[in-house]
Amino acid sequence: DVQLVESGGGLVQPGGSLRLSCSVSGFSFSAYAVHWVRQAPGKGLEYVSTMNVNGGGTYFADSVRGRFSISRDNSKNMLNLQMSSLRLEDTAVYYCVKGAGPTRSSYLDYWGRGTLVTVSS
Amino acid sequence: QSALTQPASVSGSPGQSITISCTGTTSDVGLYDSVSWYQQHPGKAPKVVISAVSNRPSGVSNRFSGSKSGNTASLTISGLQAEDEADYYCSSYTSISTWVFGGGTRLTVL
Repeated sequence: DVQLVESGGGLVQPGGSLRLSCSVSGFSFSAYAVHWVRQAPGKGLEYVSTMNVNGGGTYFADSVRGRFSISRDNSKNMLNLQMSSLRLEDTAVYYCVKGAGPTRSSYLDYWGRGTLVTVSS
Repeated sequence: QSALTQPASVSGSPGQSITISCTGTTSDVGLYDSVSWYQQHPGKAPKVVISAVSNRPSGVSNRFSGSKSGNTASLTISGLQAEDEADYYCSSYTSISTWVFGGGTRLTVL
């Protein structure tokens, strides 16, 4: 079965940094694009970032560009999201999501359960 | 990139059909046949029910169907069941190589 398990969430002060990780199994990780999507408490889904296979391209929402970076380690079946200069509005559940194919335009098919990031003083 | 526009809520009785609209622009919904729909029950992760406008992933009930006309996509659920009560989100690939979601629609089965 396809599984994506996020970790690294927690409480962080405004301006701080946090690194999220996503461990995947059940599919050939290196063959698929992967995404991060977030959901603020009681709100809708918001796209965050995408990484193509082999790190061939990275894409970000305007709201996080320049503050967040995405990386993957295909040898460890791991996706990471490095978040810096965190703001109150970054508070959300962050989902790791598998793409249905190798490129950024592949729809988002399997979702992890998410990890909660709370930015608060 | 502005969010796609969905109605905040829709409702229907068991056995009826409902349709949820999703309106975007010529830079997303109208440009690509990449609209997908997600079902999210409270406290759960989203699950894809429609991909590429009208494709139903394996395991999804054939009561779910999708379509698109111009800048507006639609999700139709026929033969409503209690288990269909959830939040539904549309999503589209965009001309700036990102994805955009709709604001979400809460479906209530009366």
